[in-house]
Amino acid sequence: NAGVTQTPKFRVLKTGQSMTLLCAQDMNHEYMYWYRQDPGMGLRLIHYSVGEGTTAKGEVPDGYNVSRLKKQNFLLGLESAAPSQTSVYFCASSYTRNTEAFFGQGTRLTVV
Amino acid sequence: KNQVEQSPQSLIILEGKNCTLQCNYTVSPFSNLRWYKQDTGRGPVSLTIMTFSENTKSNGRYTATLDADTKQSSLHITASQLSDSASYICVEIRLLGSYDKVIFGPGTSLSVIP
Repeated sequence: NAGVTQTPKFRVLKTGQSMTLLCAQDMNHEYMYWYRQDPGMGLRLIHYSVGEGTTAKGEVPDGYNVSRLKKQNFLLGLESAAPSQTSVYFCASSYTRNTEAFFGQGTRLTVV
Repeated sequence: KNQVEQSPQSLIILEGKNCTLQCNYTVSPFSNLRWYKQDTGRGPVSLTIMTFSENTKSNGRYTATLDADTKQSSLHITASQLSDSASYICVEIRLLGSYDKVIFGPGTSLSVIP
């Protein structure tokens, strides 16, 4: 049971480049989330999904897009990376809105 | 201003000692209040989940308490171990119709030394 797996683990992008972060969970969870974590701040919700084919904006969605074509996968896209998007990105999943959330290992993204 | 505040910002304790971490939140009632442990370079791991009506929840050597009157939660760690060195994050989850607003605190960095 792998839990929540994020790829890649590290990435350096040049300003203006695009990339997609992949999150995969094998627990048949309905809810999936993308967060970013910056030094000295709490995690902030970027986008989330309450089931296959659904997505919704979180607290800081600007500059990001997401897709949930399959229940087990939640993709986070950066169309035109900016230095302000340098951060550690975490994906999480949960069975329901009130149950324990399981987090991936994180993706450290640097935009230069 | 972060609506979930944690104190202290960092703490160093000797192995075997107990410690208590504090979390102040601003909105009541809420859906649930959670404590997570985050090791360096890893994702957070859930320790406890408390609903608004609960006032204590334990998970091994970790005990979370909740005081709805003062809007405070505490995480008490008993007989600390070196592996307890991590950041401890308090999270408030508020039900807003079909959407939950999730507020993460900035975390308390705990170092347990021999």
